[in-house]
Amino acid sequence: EAAVTQSPRNKVAVTGGKVTLSCNQTNNHNNMYWYRQDTGHGLRLIHYSYGAGSTEKGDIPDGYKASRPSQENFSLILELATPSQTSVYFCASGDAGINTEVFFGKGTRLTVV
Amino acid sequence: GQQVQQSPASLVLQEGENAELQCNFSSTATRLQWFYQRPGGSLVSLLSNPSGTKHTGRLTSTTVTKERRGSLHISSSQITDSGTYLCAMGNQGGSAKLIFGEGTKLTVSS
Repeated sequence: EAAVTQSPRNKVAVTGGKVTLSCNQTNNHNNMYWYRQDTGHGLRLIHYSYGAGSTEKGDIPDGYKASRPSQENFSLILELATPSQTSVYFCASGDAGINTEVFFGKGTRLTVV
Repeated sequence: GQQVQQSPASLVLQEGENAELQCNFSSTATRLQWFYQRPGGSLVSLLSNPSGTKHTGRLTSTTVTKERRGSLHISSSQITDSGTYLCAMGNQGGSAKLIFGEGTKLTVSS
């Protein structure tokens, strides 16, 4: 199965601080995703990417930036973290095509105090 | 925007019973994928099925793209099947976006 590795797994940040969540995949997938999961909202798409150098806004991009410097790496950046960004963040990767699957990392639990 | 509705929101079964989970989407989907998640865990891919019927083990996924719906059948449920089942749709036009429903929470007891 495809390997998607997120770091850190847990993070406590202060309000107004900068937070970077990292994601690495080793399966040469073109597409990568960042989601957040909150009770009552399910999984919501923040940013996604089609390949190195590409970032696209998802459904809830406000307050987040993304960076895809290489095929393998996709970062989510919170320039000014707020308590409302406390959540569990998941990174995923997959190839294009109707029969392909998307694979998820183990998640990062972020608490902004 | 595009929406994915899952039903039922929760389901309680006795071990050995079958489960039928539904997924409806608001626009034409080019792909549909089912995931499983334990509390506090990550998402595990179960089946990717853009149309027709697909089987793996005790799971059967049926997707009727024209009718904008999909279903996941779990036969002979086991206690270890307990968790949340999520469906996600990919839209048309070549976009990579994958939109999730809020899931069906399945509890299987002995």
